[in-house]
Amino acid sequence: EAAVTQSPRNKVTVTGGNVTLSCRQTNSHNYMYWYRQDTGHGLRLIHYSYGAGNLQIGDVPDGYKATRTTQEDFFLLLELASPSQTSLYFCASRDRGEQYFGPGTRLTVL
Amino acid sequence: AQSVTQPDARVTVSEGASLQLRCKYSYFGTPYLFWYVQYPRQGLQLLLKYYPGDPVVQGVNGFEAEFSKSNSSFHLRKASVHWSDWAVYFCAVKDSAGNKLTFGIGTRVLVRP
Repeated sequence: EAAVTQSPRNKVTVTGGNVTLSCRQTNSHNYMYWYRQDTGHGLRLIHYSYGAGNLQIGDVPDGYKATRTTQEDFFLLLELASPSQTSLYFCASRDRGEQYFGPGTRLTVL
Repeated sequence: AQSVTQPDARVTVSEGASLQLRCKYSYFGTPYLFWYVQYPRQGLQLLLKYYPGDPVVQGVNGFEAEFSKSNSSFHLRKASVHWSDWAVYFCAVKDSAGNKLTFGIGTRVLVRP
């Protein structure tokens, strides 16, 4: 079964802080995704990638950068965190049609 | 652009009763549709998927969904709900390139004993 892990699971930072969320998948899937989940909005796509060194813009990219360093690793960067970025963040990888999700990272920006 | 509407933010059902969760989609062409479930404090897991073919799709844990092109719907059903079905359910549609999913806002299901 596909395995997607995320770290940290919880993170608290202050406004203007610098945060990196990590995601690793161990199944050599080409596509990886970063979403944020907010009540009333469901899951919204921030960025995605189809391989190492590639980055595609999602639907809500403002304030976020991302980098895919290897087939396995996909990072989400918040360089100047704001309270509006308080959310639950999910990473996913894709094999053909199905996306496999990690357990999520809860980020709080004070 | 495609979109998904889940009109019910919350549904409360008694254990053993039947369940239907509604999903309406907007998509030009023949859609690929999904239902995901999110149990408390977990990530999303696939329940079932529709690829063009039989309109009734069977999933895990007794769930099924029916695709209707005329109604632009993909409703999820379960004949008898168990307490473990307490979760949030998301409907999603895949984009035409096949690379992205667009999700609905989710329906939270609460199960009464």
